[in-house]
Amino acid sequence: QKEVEQDPGPLSVPEGAIVSLNCTYSNSAFQYFMWYRQYSRKGPELLMYTYSSGNKEDGRFTAQVDKSSKYISLFIRDSQPSDSATYLCAMRFTGGGNKLTFGTGTQLKVEL
Amino acid sequence: GAVVSQHPSWVICKSGTSVKIECRSLDFQATTMFWYRQFPKQSLMLMATSNEGSKATYEQGVEKDKFLINHASLTLSTLTVTSAHPEDSSFYICSAGQRDNEQYFGPGTRLTVT
Repeated sequence: QKEVEQDPGPLSVPEGAIVSLNCTYSNSAFQYFMWYRQYSRKGPELLMYTYSSGNKEDGRFTAQVDKSSKYISLFIRDSQPSDSATYLCAMRFTGGGNKLTFGTGTQLKVEL
Repeated sequence: GAVVSQHPSWVICKSGTSVKIECRSLDFQATTMFWYRQFPKQSLMLMATSNEGSKATYEQGVEKDKFLINHASLTLSTLTVTSAHPEDSSFYICSAGQRDNEQYFGPGTRLTVT
């Protein structure tokens, strides 16, 4: 079993839809949770960074962490074609030298 | 936000030659840099962790003699793929961060070995 599970998709939604992306994990020691967006043939771009459980909102993006369920989510409101990319969840322990454990990534396509 | 650059963005080399990829943090000092490898439609695979002024720590299964990493300053790390072979063709991405802070990724380097 992988430490971090993420549905690879592809996920196709119409423009304006609310998108829900999710990851589950097995190691309860993870404390920091991140979402990265990666366009084709580009490096990942940090979207959201949260510590422990709770919600964090930034514009159209909301990140949720439920440590009791070992489940994290990223919501994208009013999705745009420019949101079409691969979304990677990542997480790490406190300390540990910043080493990240990634999900496999979910490919999202927002259609006109 | 923090900016990390990589050079070159794309390189083609012949089998048996060596290739050096540079990773630079442009507006911050990075105590730690990471090197990843990514195959098409797959996630990032961590190859090694590089700390300034010390030897890199390689992940299990990564040949340290083949993938040479140098982190000579707080803003520069290099990855040298020695005696490259076609199976080394991949997308190599670095990231840089400060202790207990976010990691910022470079744009990646596409290596094609013919």
